[in-house]
Amino acid sequence: QKEVEQDPGPLSVPEGAIVSLNCTYSNSAFQYFMWYRQYSRKGPELLMYTYSSGNKEDGRFTAQVDKSSKYISLFIRDSQPSDSATYLCAMSARTGTASKLTFGTGTRLQVTL
Amino acid sequence: NAGVTQTPKFQVLKTGQSMTLQCAQDMNHNSMYWYRQDPGMGLRLIYYSASEGTTDKGEVPNGYNVSRLNKREFSLRLESAAPSQTSVYFCASKARDLYNEQFFGPGTRLTVL
Repeated sequence: QKEVEQDPGPLSVPEGAIVSLNCTYSNSAFQYFMWYRQYSRKGPELLMYTYSSGNKEDGRFTAQVDKSSKYISLFIRDSQPSDSATYLCAMSARTGTASKLTFGTGTRLQVTL
Repeated sequence: NAGVTQTPKFQVLKTGQSMTLQCAQDMNHNSMYWYRQDPGMGLRLIYYSASEGTTDKGEVPNGYNVSRLNKREFSLRLESAAPSQTSVYFCASKARDLYNEQFFGPGTRLTVL
């Protein structure tokens, strides 16, 4: 079983829809949670970063962490065609020079006109 | 700032050939990473360098070697390429204390025939 599970999709939604992307994990030591966005044939770029449990909002994006359920979510409001990309969750147990990230496999999102 | 740069962008090798993938960052980051990305597998860590002068194995190191040439550069070498090494390779870097954000390069698409 993988440490981080993520539905690969693809997920297709109409423009303006609310999108929910999710990851589950098994390692209870994870406490730093990230969402990366990756456009086709590009490198991943950091979208959201949260520490421990709770919510974080940035514009149309909201990240939620529920450590008791080992479940994280990314919500996209008023989705746009420019949001079409693969979304990767990533998590880590620690910070510092030797810290490593464990990634989900990514969910491919298509926002249609 | 160019961020993280990788060369080459594309490469086709025959089985048994060798090659070196180059990575450089101009952000004065301490840590650097090499990942491979395969469909359905997500990003998997090959090797990383927590700081100049140190390297460590990641999740899938077999068949690869690395060199942290200086603080800016981190190269990945395939001594005898195999078809199983066909993948997209990403280099990333991270500042010492900046959360866990890793900055990714644009990737190298490698095909081994």
